[in-house]
Amino acid sequence: DVKVTQSSRYLVKRTGEKVFLECVQDMDHENMFWYRQDPGLGLRLIYFSYDVKMKEKGDIPEGYSVSREKKERFSLILESASTNQTSMYLCASSQWDEQYFGPGTRLTVT
Amino acid sequence: DAKTTQPPSMDCAEGRAANLPCNHSTISGNEYVYWYRQIHSQGPQYIIHGLKNNETNEMASLIITEDRKSSTLILPHATLRDTAVYYCIVRGQGAQKLVFGQGTRLTINP
Repeated sequence: DVKVTQSSRYLVKRTGEKVFLECVQDMDHENMFWYRQDPGLGLRLIYFSYDVKMKEKGDIPEGYSVSREKKERFSLILESASTNQTSMYLCASSQWDEQYFGPGTRLTVT
Repeated sequence: DAKTTQPPSMDCAEGRAANLPCNHSTISGNEYVYWYRQIHSQGPQYIIHGLKNNETNEMASLIITEDRKSSTLILPHATLRDTAVYYCIVRGQGAQKLVFGQGTRLTINP
């Protein structure tokens, strides 16, 4: 069965901290994505990757970076967390059409 | 990608068919209609997609009008576990990004 896992369901960090969100997929998919979801704004794409070491900016990349050293793992990095990055973060992977999502990480920055 | 319009909320009785409409009047010839749903506190889940023919799988049926300007997702025998937000998304072939709108909050009542 298809599986996308995220390192934490809930995370609380302080302003200015460096934050790593990890995502792992076991389907050998080429493409991986990071979204954030906020009330009234829906899901917004932060970054995506279509191959190892390749990345593309999404709609809201500011304040974030990503890393894809291995095919199965896609990391989202908040270099210096700010309160406006408090959100639900969702990782997804795909090979062709369907995107498979992880359970999400609810990040709170205080 | 073309914009979609969905009712903000709908109710359906358990055991009945749930019919969720979506308007996408600006859809172009190579754009597909996708449906996802998001159950509370989970990541979005792929349901079905189609281009112009009606589609059916184990979860749902997708009916696309002949002019392709609207579609309907049908859950044939709704259960309480189908309570979720349902998203209709139009996406071009090969395009990786999914653009989620506000969706329809479907409540299945016992």
